[in-house]
Amino acid sequence: AQKVTQAQTEISVVEKEDVTLDCVYETRDTTYYLFWYKQPPSGELVFLIRRNSFDEQNEISGRYSWNFQKSTSSFNFTITASQVVDSAVYFCALSEWSSGNTPLVFGKGTRLSVIA
Amino acid sequence: DAEITQSPRHKITETGRQVTLACHQTWNHNNMFWYRQDLGHGLRLIHYSYGVQDTNKGEVSDGYSVSRSNTEDLPLTLESAASSQTSVYFCASSGLASNEQFFGPGTRLTVL
Repeated sequence: AQKVTQAQTEISVVEKEDVTLDCVYETRDTTYYLFWYKQPPSGELVFLIRRNSFDEQNEISGRYSWNFQKSTSSFNFTITASQVVDSAVYFCALSEWSSGNTPLVFGKGTRLSVIA
Repeated sequence: DAEITQSPRHKITETGRQVTLACHQTWNHNNMFWYRQDLGHGLRLIHYSYGVQDTNKGEVSDGYSVSRSNTEDLPLTLESAASSQTSVYFCASSGLASNEQFFGPGTRLTVL
């Protein structure tokens, strides 16, 4: 069965610090997708990234970067030089693909507070 | 621009009442999903649909039902609302060849 674990419930950092949000997943499928979503205080869910199981290249988008390691079943998210606007709840999610388009399974989320 | 909308955005109801939450998407997506979000649980899947007349149960489907009579809409019905169903409800949709889900703005439901 699919499972996503975000062990960090809450993290507080001071502005300009780097912070890494951990995500560990479980799946028996060989083909799957991993996602990160951001939920700011306003409540909407904002898509950040999708990564498929065949692409282990790290990705960087501005201050955001993602480290995908199949060997440890992890898909960690790093924010460099954090800003107050990064304060949000971040969700990691998994979708298996071999048997078709399956719904997302979410982790419980990590609440990030960036203090000025 | 294509979008996914939910209504109402906020709802207060009483225990035992039937409640229907609407979800409408203009992406022409085949796949639609309902999640609930509760503190400490993240988002949990209630029901989903892969096309007209198709519905499937998710992880927390007890007390909820859906029907899919057209591509654009997937209403979620609480047959007899319970206080345990107080939550924020999100609808999402995705295309046939993609599993990137687009989320609606959410409905905050309070059952008194």
